[in-house]
Amino acid sequence: GAVVSQHPSWVICKSGTSVKIECRSLDFQATTMFWYRQFPKQSLMLMATSNEGSKATYEQGVEKDKFLINHASLTLSTLTVTSAHPEDSSFYICSARDHAGWKTQYFGPGTRLLVL
Amino acid sequence: SQQGEEDPQALSIQEGENATMNCSYKTSINNLQWYRQNSGRGLVHLILIRSNEREKHSGRLRVTLDTSKKSSSLLITASRAADTASYFCATDVSLGGYSTLTFGKGTMLLVSP
Repeated sequence: GAVVSQHPSWVICKSGTSVKIECRSLDFQATTMFWYRQFPKQSLMLMATSNEGSKATYEQGVEKDKFLINHASLTLSTLTVTSAHPEDSSFYICSARDHAGWKTQYFGPGTRLLVL
Repeated sequence: SQQGEEDPQALSIQEGENATMNCSYKTSINNLQWYRQNSGRGLVHLILIRSNEREKHSGRLRVTLDTSKKSSSLLITASRAADTASYFCATDVSLGGYSTLTFGKGTMLLVSP
């Protein structure tokens, strides 16, 4: 099946620094990528949807200036958490959907962020 | 608010027993999917059922969909300790020309040996 990778798998950073998370579709072209956030013992919450070459659409309550999303190519989307604070500590999961099989989203393994 | 709501929130059973989890949703869907997540790990796609399907099987998994009641159930038969995980339903809904997945709160399943 289709594979989506994320890098890094975990990151620890100091408060105030910025962290970039990469999401790659390895064997298909992803016209749409999604970013989710999951706090401990909670469900996945959609943060934003990004289409290749256009601006991301953010869900209500998600700060676009804090969570910068770039989907510059059909196989790569990045999420940058700017000026991270401890409350941004979470599990970030990306998923990708190809234009051929648009009904299926393929999920990455997630990135665990801990902000000290 | 989230589209899918699972119940129960937590379920504890013995190995060999069956586990049933339910999911309710609010709007029309393209399809409904069930995922599994081990603690601190990524999602594993289990099964997808389309809006025009009523039942689907995959190994020890059985999923039903009742669009009139806007509900779905996931049955795991002959459970094993390795089935211990959180299970989420996710509804695929069309919005503004594209579709998006919305997850329910999940059911934490504990299968004791």
